[in-house]
Amino acid sequence: DIELAQSPGTLSLSPGERATLSCRASQSVSSTYLAWYQQKPGQAPTLLIYGASTRATGIPDRFSGSGSGTDFTLTISRLEPEDFAVYYCQHYGSSPPKFTFGPGTKVDIK
Amino acid sequence: VQLVESGGDVVQPGRSLRLSCAVSGFTFKTYGMHWVRQAPGKGLEWVTVISFDGSNTYYADSVKGRFTVSRDNSKNTLYLQMSSLRAEDTALYYCARESPSSVSLDYWGQGTLVTVSS
Repeated sequence: DIELAQSPGTLSLSPGERATLSCRASQSVSSTYLAWYQQKPGQAPTLLIYGASTRATGIPDRFSGSGSGTDFTLTISRLEPEDFAVYYCQHYGSSPPKFTFGPGTKVDIK
Repeated sequence: VQLVESGGDVVQPGRSLRLSCAVSGFTFKTYGMHWVRQAPGKGLEWVTVISFDGSNTYYADSVKGRFTVSRDNSKNTLYLQMSSLRAEDTALYYCARESPSSVSLDYWGQGTLVTVSS
């Protein structure tokens, strides 16, 4: 089974700074099946990025995804106050079908 | 698009519970649907998926043999039947829609809380 590791566990930054979040898979995966979600306190997760680099509908362009193989990155170019949240990467495996989430990275205000 | 979960409750270990997810705003019968849970203060854990027509279902190892996912496309409703509940099943249970253009979850409900405690 593929496992996802996210780093750092917590990222303390100020508004306007750049955030770089890492997701590492235990083995090479197709970027088609790699997604990122944002979860704010008390709210359900929302889809940010799918296919490793495609922004979901309505997601601002300060969010970008990149990577391939085992290493994927979510970048927030300039943090807005509403971006302080927990971010999860997710992989879809097809044999058998299952979703795997990473443990999450919390982005909090410095 | 709306997904509204219900049925969460406090139950004793070993008992059963059925969750529901009523959806609106999209053609339910054409989408795969998932349940994802989140234990208090913890991360997301995928639970199960059901295909658009209910013919295929898959489960996380942690719930296999105890949970059953089903759907009623005539009622636009997704279900999760949970049996032999354990303390570690305590979580907020979300239903979510699988995006047709990518294997990701593009709409989520707000969740329903299941607490397993004696």
